Amino acid sequence: QQQVKQSPQSLIVQKGGISIINCAYENTAFDYFPWYQQFPGKGPALLIAIRPDVSEKKEGRFTISFNKSAKQFSLHIMDSQPGDSATYFCAGGGGGSYIPTFGRGTSLIVHP
Amino acid sequence: DTGVSQDPRHKITKRGQNVTFRCDPISEHNRLYWYRQTLGQGPEFLTYFQNEAQLEKSRLLSDRFSAERPKGSFSTLEIQRTEQGDSAMYLCASTYGTSGRQSSYNEQFFGPGTRLTVL
Repeated sequence: QQQVKQSPQSLIVQKGGISIINCAYENTAFDYFPWYQQFPGKGPALLIAIRPDVSEKKEGRFTISFNKSAKQFSLHIMDSQPGDSATYFCAGGGGGSYIPTFGRGTSLIVHP
Repeated sequence: DTGVSQDPRHKITKRGQNVTFRCDPISEHNRLYWYRQTLGQGPEFLTYFQNEAQLEKSRLLSDRFSAERPKGSFSTLEIQRTEQGDSAMYLCASTYGTSGRQSSYNEQFFGPGTRLTVL
């Protein structure tokens, strides 16, 4: 079964620190790699996404780094804030498939 | 609010009862997805529609699960003879997609979910 493996399962960071979440995928046909942010009681919301033709994408404090040869991508949250405390999911999709595969999620806590 | 809406937000039922959830996607979106999410897990794909056609239903968890999108707008997910193991958050998402490899998967917009508790 196609998988997207996400780590760590939980992460605690001090305010102002850098949060790093990693994902690895198996399906080399994937051509879309989004990160979703989910707050308790809410549905996931797209945070940032990347396609494999670039190695990095930055939007504000959020950066995706993509390593196609290693089949890995990561989310970096710079200057982490308490409001960033949420669960983050990576996913892979596309390449002719309309069905995305999600990682198991990372619970991020940013201490003030 | 022009986002994806789901109804009800919470449902408590007794084992063996049937339940039905509704999803209203963003109006211009032609694709609609249903997912199940359990505690500590990512969304698990169940089924999806392009317009009114259900293009993938093999991942519905059992034959007790069924989904419809009769006019290509709102969708319903029904669970018959509910079991305690069906307790989860059921998420709906919509997107606009065209045929062809280049646009096979685009940003999905999720609704707030329906939390089901089976007693």
